Amino acid sequence: QLQLQETGSGLVKPSQTLSLTCSVSGGSISSGGYSWSWIRQPPGKGLEWIGYIYHSGNTYYNPSLKSRVTMSIDRSKNQFSLRLTSVTAADTAVYYCARGWGLGDFDYWGQGTLVTVSS
Amino acid sequence: EIVLTQSPGTLSLSPGERATLSCRASQTSSSKYLAWYQQKPGQAPRLLIYGASTRATGVPDRFSASGSGTDFTLTITKLEPEDFAVYYCQQYGSALYTFGQGTKLEIK
Repeated sequence: QLQLQETGSGLVKPSQTLSLTCSVSGGSISSGGYSWSWIRQPPGKGLEWIGYIYHSGNTYYNPSLKSRVTMSIDRSKNQFSLRLTSVTAADTAVYYCARGWGLGDFDYWGQGTLVTVSS
Repeated sequence: EIVLTQSPGTLSLSPGERATLSCRASQTSSSKYLAWYQQKPGQAPRLLIYGASTRATGVPDRFSASGSGTDFTLTITKLEPEDFAVYYCQQYGSALYTFGQGTKLEIK
């Protein structure tokens, strides 16, 4: 059974960089046919897709966040990561990592991690 | 970018009733890439439907979905207490994902 687990700083100061890692177990992040996404959800609000990365390292980002987002993949550790720069209070959210597959949906999700942007 | 609009925002029904949730795309969306999720408080979303009408593994058959083009529907027949949650539609196109704003299904 595939499992995803988000880790990272739960509190980030405004203007600083948010960094999160998603560890994948029960399967290889290098398996073809899948993408690896970050999705966030502000408290009490809906879901926003941030971006995804393939095992090849190719990335696709939400245009609304593209200038601040960088995703990377570490195949040796079976992990992928998110960096979001110049954060503000509007970036406060639960951040999920998820696996995307062939029909454009997310079949496995991490449990989510709350990141609060505050001084 | 395709915008997904879900209606109603909140749906109040009783257990045993039938729920019909709508998801409308701002432009024609490939039904091949339309999914539905269920999210309960404090939990990650759970994939219910993919390819507009195919139930994910383990999803009860009281959940069904249909649609094409710009109009998609999720139907839950005979609501069970555990079905009360927030439901999101999601589409994939042009290398981008978008979600609807969600429909909250609450107990009447």
